[in-house]
Amino acid sequence: EVQLLESGGGLAQPGGSLRLSCVASGFTFSNYATSWVRQAPGRGLEWVSGIGDSGDTTYYADSVKGRFTISRDNSKNTLYLQMNSLRAEDTAIYYCAKSREEQLGGLYDYWGQGNLVTVSS
Amino acid sequence: DIVMTQSPDSLAVSLGERATINCKSSQSVLYSSNSKNYLAWYQQKPGQPPKLLIYWASTRESGVPDRFGGSGSGTDFTLTISSLQAEDAAVYYCQQYYTTPYTFGQGTKLEIK
Repeated sequence: EVQLLESGGGLAQPGGSLRLSCVASGFTFSNYATSWVRQAPGRGLEWVSGIGDSGDTTYYADSVKGRFTISRDNSKNTLYLQMNSLRAEDTAIYYCAKSREEQLGGLYDYWGQGNLVTVSS
Repeated sequence: DIVMTQSPDSLAVSLGERATINCKSSQSVLYSSNSKNYLAWYQQKPGQPPKLLIYWASTRESGVPDRFGGSGSGTDFTLTISSLQAEDAAVYYCQQYYTTPYTFGQGTKLEIK
């Protein structure tokens, strides 16, 4: 059974940092691109960042470019999102999501349960 | 960026009736080399992550009831629920995975009348 378990969220001050983790199981993690997608309270879905299966390619939304860094450790089956210079508008539930097909990013067949990040003083 | 626009923002449909949600992309998501539309539909219920329903614009994900159908090509797409069930009340999103940033529509809230 495919599982994606996020952790690391919580409360941060504006300008502060947090690191999210997503531990994957039930599939060969190193074969699939993965992404972070967020959802502000009561709002729609916003793609944040994606990373290729080997970690060599990364992509970011303009809203987080230069502040967030996506990475992965295939030996630990873990996806990360380092979030720096946090802003109030980064407040959201952050989901990690697995690509449905090898060599294809952006189409997600499994999602984690989500991890709430709140940026407030 | 490709902008995805859904219509309507919300709708209420009676049990057993048809529900139709539209999605328009600001540029084509049809990849000419493989003739595939890089368009997906997701369902999200309160407190849950999104669930993949349809990909390649019209391919139903495994386990998704056949009352859910997707159609369209290029820039105009439709999600149809042929006979609405109570458990279909949710927010539905279209998404393009043609190019980064992968973008979602604003969502359509489907309620039972």
